[in-house]
Amino acid sequence: KQEVTQIPAALSVPEGENLVLNCSFTDSAIYNLQWFRQDPGKGLTSLLLIQSSQREQTSGRLNASLDKSSGRSTLYIAASQPGDSATYLCAATSYNQGGKLIFGQGTELSVKP
Amino acid sequence: DTGVSQDPRHKITKRGQNVTFRCDPISEHNRLYWYRQTLGQGPEFLTYFQNEAQLEKSRLLSDRFSAERPKGSFSTLEIQRTEQGDSAMYLCASSPQGAFTEAFFGQGTRLTVV
Repeated sequence: KQEVTQIPAALSVPEGENLVLNCSFTDSAIYNLQWFRQDPGKGLTSLLLIQSSQREQTSGRLNASLDKSSGRSTLYIAASQPGDSATYLCAATSYNQGGKLIFGQGTELSVKP
Repeated sequence: DTGVSQDPRHKITKRGQNVTFRCDPISEHNRLYWYRQTLGQGPEFLTYFQNEAQLEKSRLLSDRFSAERPKGSFSTLEIQRTEQGDSAMYLCASSPQGAFTEAFFGQGTRLTVV
């Protein structure tokens, strides 16, 4: 059974800092891993999707990496801004879990001006 | 295409009442998922459809919950005899069929049972 963990649960950084969010998964037989952003009281916005054959994906100031052998993914945010403040969630889709996404609990990020 | 649409956005109901939520997926997507999210937690899988077929249901989906997707288009999630523990955000997502496809979520329906 796939389990996804995100540490830390909360992170506060000053504006301009580069930061890394961590995501761990127990079953390395994944289809893909997806990173989402969630603002308070809102739905989820897809940020990046990494397929199992890929090592990383980039979009603007965001870079996500995937290491299946160690069961880890990281989301790197460069030059953080107050507008980046939100909860960041990772979700894995596994071969033996059908097509559904298994989510971590999220990391709540606060970027202070 | 306006993305995944959920209705209503907010619902307040008294304990014991029935509620129904609607989800309209992105038009060309044939997979549709329902998730539930409580405060401070990640979304938990409830059920998913491929076209009109309900392929999997979570153990979280008690007998009071039922979901349908007639004609493989929109979907409804009904909760009968609501309980305070049902208070949560109910999220719908859709994706094209395939193993390497991106899932897109709606804005969710916030249910409060009083």
